[in-house]
Amino acid sequence: EPEVTQTPSHQVTQMGQEVILRCVPISNHLYFYWYRQILGQKVEFLVSFYNNEISEKSEIFDDQFSVERPDGSNFTLKIRSTKLEDSAMYFCASSLAGGQFQETQYFGPGTRLLVL
Amino acid sequence: GNSVTQMEGPVTLSEEAFLTINCTYTATGYPSLFWYVQYPGEGLQLLLKATKADDKGSNKGFEATYRKETTSFHLEKGSVQVSDSAVYFCALRQPGNQFYFGTGTSLTVIP
Repeated sequence: EPEVTQTPSHQVTQMGQEVILRCVPISNHLYFYWYRQILGQKVEFLVSFYNNEISEKSEIFDDQFSVERPDGSNFTLKIRSTKLEDSAMYFCASSLAGGQFQETQYFGPGTRLLVL
Repeated sequence: GNSVTQMEGPVTLSEEAFLTINCTYTATGYPSLFWYVQYPGEGLQLLLKATKADDKGSNKGFEATYRKETTSFHLEKGSVQVSDSAVYFCALRQPGNQFYFGTGTSLTVIP
């Protein structure tokens, strides 16, 4: 069964450093998402991406964050200058369709980011 | 606004016990409701969903009924197995792309 993969599974970085989290969505999917979960808190939506542009973003997704689909398979989340409060589990997801079609989103296993 | 509140864990049950994980929501309009499960080391997997009031979602022996009058979507299973040990997330989705998740409930089933 096709699945969403994410790398790395764990990332430790120093405050102020840039990190790039990588995701490979399911190959025929068209919509891509990032979520995060700070330890003990809810899973929070960050951003959705379709047709090479952001279609929706939350207030968490400020100028420190960016997303990119650099090639036909990868979908990346970049945090430009990490802060302690960026420490969280980051989940990537993809879906075949989006918007009004309420399509199921398939999630990756997550990348645990720790900012020291 | 939109939000989901689910029962705090961790929950520990003996094999073959009855499971209920409570989930209530706040939403405008007519959201779809979901339960996702995360097994150790894996991603969130859709367990079941319901798209309108009174719908019952079911999968792998789990059930949940969309109750608009009580704004609830409680997850139940009549007889849990060790393999059901995982973290369970309740979520809602308004038309559009964004999901709103609960904090997750960890379930451990002991033989």
